[in-house]
Amino acid sequence: EAGVTQSPTHLIKTRGQQATLRCSPISGHTSVYWYQQALGLGLQFLLWYDEGEERNRGNFPPRFSGRQFPNYSSELNVNALELEDSALYLCASSLEGVRETQYFGPGTRLLVL
Amino acid sequence: GIQVEQSPPDLILQEGANSTLRCNFSDSVNNLQWFHQNPWGQLINLFYIPSGTKQNGRLSATTVATERYSLLYISSSQTTDSGVYFCAVSSYNTDKLIFGTGTRLQVFP
Repeated sequence: EAGVTQSPTHLIKTRGQQATLRCSPISGHTSVYWYQQALGLGLQFLLWYDEGEERNRGNFPPRFSGRQFPNYSSELNVNALELEDSALYLCASSLEGVRETQYFGPGTRLLVL
Repeated sequence: GIQVEQSPPDLILQEGANSTLRCNFSDSVNNLQWFHQNPWGQLINLFYIPSGTKQNGRLSATTVATERYSLLYISSSQTTDSGVYFCAVSSYNTDKLIFGTGTRLQVFP
């Protein structure tokens, strides 16, 4: 069974641009979560989608947004990129709900110059 | 919100040694997971253990929910065990996983 996949693996952008990151969950999983791991700041919860709806978001500005498609895959969009957005972005999926085991993808490394 | 503390922050071992990593949390939890992050950043799910004890090979974990802590045991450590170990929890009042700051383990031959 395929695990969580993410694309691209690496992304280089300049300040002010927009970045789009993609995630495909494990087959059968309806919940998708996004996390940011910036250097020195640990893993921070960004967004949770389930059945196409945003269920919860972390303490991030509105320029971090996303969506979940009917096939349960998800996109994370970061607008007006800032240098401090440079980080590893991890996607996870689970059966419905935060109480379920979350499985993580390999991540997208975003570098903002 | 719920607080998660992990100890020790760093651990250096020689191959073959045993170790115990601890995770303390400040509220009742409905999800607790242990992860291993390898040097390439991949988070590997080790255990889903909001309560009780589980074992998987050389690794085992115990969560005492009433006392709000969890322990991860690594026996006969190998160099491939090196990396950062994270504990993550969600509580009945939060719809998200909160990660601890991790324990960085280095195993030398």
